[in-house]
Amino acid sequence: EAGVTQFPSHSVIEKGQTVTLRCDPISGHDNLYWYRRVMGKEIKFLLHFVKESKQDESGMPNNRFLAERTGGTYSTLKVQPAELEDSGVYFCASSPLGVLGANVLTFGAGSRLTVL
Amino acid sequence: GESVGLHLPTLSVQEGDNSIINCAYSNSASDYFIWYKQESGKGPQFIIDIRSNMDKRQGQRVTVLLNKTVKHLSLQIAATQPGDSAVYFCAEIPGGSYIPTFGRGTSLIVHP
Repeated sequence: EAGVTQFPSHSVIEKGQTVTLRCDPISGHDNLYWYRRVMGKEIKFLLHFVKESKQDESGMPNNRFLAERTGGTYSTLKVQPAELEDSGVYFCASSPLGVLGANVLTFGAGSRLTVL
Repeated sequence: GESVGLHLPTLSVQEGDNSIINCAYSNSASDYFIWYKQESGKGPQFIIDIRSNMDKRQGQRVTVLLNKTVKHLSLQIAATQPGDSAVYFCAEIPGGSYIPTFGRGTSLIVHP
């Protein structure tokens, strides 16, 4: 079974540019999450999809961040325009719907974003 | 707001020693806890979990202890190996939620 895949693995952009990160969850996983880790700090929650619907986006830092999950399969996270403080590793995770196993997230390897 | 935190950001041990990684949580509504291991270049991977109706759970070489009285969680790794070197995160999940809250992580360094 393929795991959670993320693309790109590393992106280096200049302040003011746009970057789009993509996440392909495990097939059949309706829960999809985005998290971010800034160096040396905690892994912070950004948002949670159930299928194509945004269930909770309370962790999104501001309106420069836009997440979508059209069709309830893969998801994208766009940062526009990027700022220096957006640098970090963006993790995507997925889990099946339902009580059993829903809380155990399977993470992708992350997309490292460096804003210069 | 309430948060999950770790006492020791870095832990260095010798191969073969036992390791103990600690975690303090403050959300009394949390009833499910997970330890994740993150190796360099990879995403966090599930190690072991525990529900609030338990105070101990054992896996293969790992044990998680939960003390609800003082809101403390620990991960014990027996006979630590170089392959155990990684950053370890504890995560808490409040009842009725599907969103884990993570702490900063502890970096475990195992010396051969």
